[in-house]
Amino acid sequence: KNQVEQSPQSLIILEGKNCTLQCNYTVSPFSNLRWYKQDTGRGPVSLTIMTFSENTKSNGRYTATLDADTKQSSLHITASQLSDSASYICVVSALRGGGADGLTFGKGTHLIIQP
Amino acid sequence: DVKVTQSSRYLVKRTGEKVFLECVQDMDHENMFWYRQDPGLGLRLIYFSYDVKMKEKGDIPEGYSVSREKKERFSLILESASTNQTSMYLCASSLEESGAMNTEAFFGQGTRLTVV
Repeated sequence: KNQVEQSPQSLIILEGKNCTLQCNYTVSPFSNLRWYKQDTGRGPVSLTIMTFSENTKSNGRYTATLDADTKQSSLHITASQLSDSASYICVVSALRGGGADGLTFGKGTHLIIQP
Repeated sequence: DVKVTQSSRYLVKRTGEKVFLECVQDMDHENMFWYRQDPGLGLRLIYFSYDVKMKEKGDIPEGYSVSREKKERFSLILESASTNQTSMYLCASSLEESGAMNTEAFFGQGTRLTVV
């Protein structure tokens, strides 16, 4: 059964600090992995996408890594800001068209940035 | 810019009522989906549709039905609302590109439904 596990479940850090969120998956055959940011009361918005051949991808202060051998991904946030407070969801797509029916969602990491 | 719009942000309904949640996308996407999101459970797929008048059950279809009469619109129907259907409902859409490596699902802003 395809699964995506995220850790930690929740995290509180001070503004300006860095943090790393983890995602382990057992989805096969692997197509891509996305990190979504979901603000409270809003729908998720894609931050990055990683395909099989990519190891690292950055989007501003967000850097995602992918190790396809160990089936692990991380999302590193640098110099955190109050607006980074949100849930971060790891979503892995199986290679059967890429549509959302082939998606497996993690339960998310709830990040709180304190001033 | 892709836009997925859900008709209501917040909704309060009584037990036994018939509830319609509407979703419209403006990018001519073939795929549309309904999820519900609950604390500790993440997003769970209720129904999805690959084309007009086509629908497929997701992981938790019980108590729900859907309608897709037009490509841009996908409706979720609760035939007889119950308190355990209180949840955040998210609609999403994506292009149908078989074998594509980077198809993205775009989400609406969500509807928080409370059944009392």
